[in-house]
Amino acid sequence: GNSVTQMEGPVTLSEEAFLTINCTYTATGYPSLFWYVQYPGEGLQLLLKATKADDKGSNKGFEATYRKETTSFHLEKGSVQVSDSAVYFCAPLYNFNKFYFGSGTKLNVKP
Amino acid sequence: DAGVIQSPRHEVTEMGQEVTLRCKPISGHDYLFWYRQTMMRGLELLIYFNNNVPIDDSGMPEDRFSAKMPNASFSTLKIQPSEPRDSAVYFCASSRTNTEAFFGQGTRLTVV
Repeated sequence: GNSVTQMEGPVTLSEEAFLTINCTYTATGYPSLFWYVQYPGEGLQLLLKATKADDKGSNKGFEATYRKETTSFHLEKGSVQVSDSAVYFCAPLYNFNKFYFGSGTKLNVKP
Repeated sequence: DAGVIQSPRHEVTEMGQEVTLRCKPISGHDYLFWYRQTMMRGLELLIYFNNNVPIDDSGMPEDRFSAKMPNASFSTLKIQPSEPRDSAVYFCASSRTNTEAFFGQGTRLTVV
């Protein structure tokens, strides 16, 4: 069936470090792919998306590329800030408009 | 648009009581989702609707949970009777077909 596997956290980084959060999905069809971010006490917000193979989504310095050959959509940022501390969710959107959310990866950025 | 609106933001109730959570989706969205978030189980999809019709309720934990969407601008999630293990943050989200979902701020439910 459809599923998504996300890198376990928490991930702790120093400010200005490079970030990678891994995400892989099952290759059932060609889902649209999303990364969401959840700040403490808030709902999930869309961070970026990609709708077809080789598309690169980007927002606020974050990037992720739709890799069909490896069924991956890894989230990256070149230089994290304390304000990036949050929980990040990978979410493929399969047929019937059903989102599958990963387990979430908590990111802690220290000054 | 004001986004997805959920009420109440916080709810504290005693075990055995009925709890009703409310959601107003974004106008024009044809999908509505109810999720539950806990530390132990993460984010779980409970049920979702398309054009007010339930499509998949396989995530509803048991018969104590029910959800309705009487019209395109309103949905409820009801728990009756409530139990302490139902304590969680409940999110409502809405979307257009094949596009991103927009989440509400959530309702934090505490059952004592």
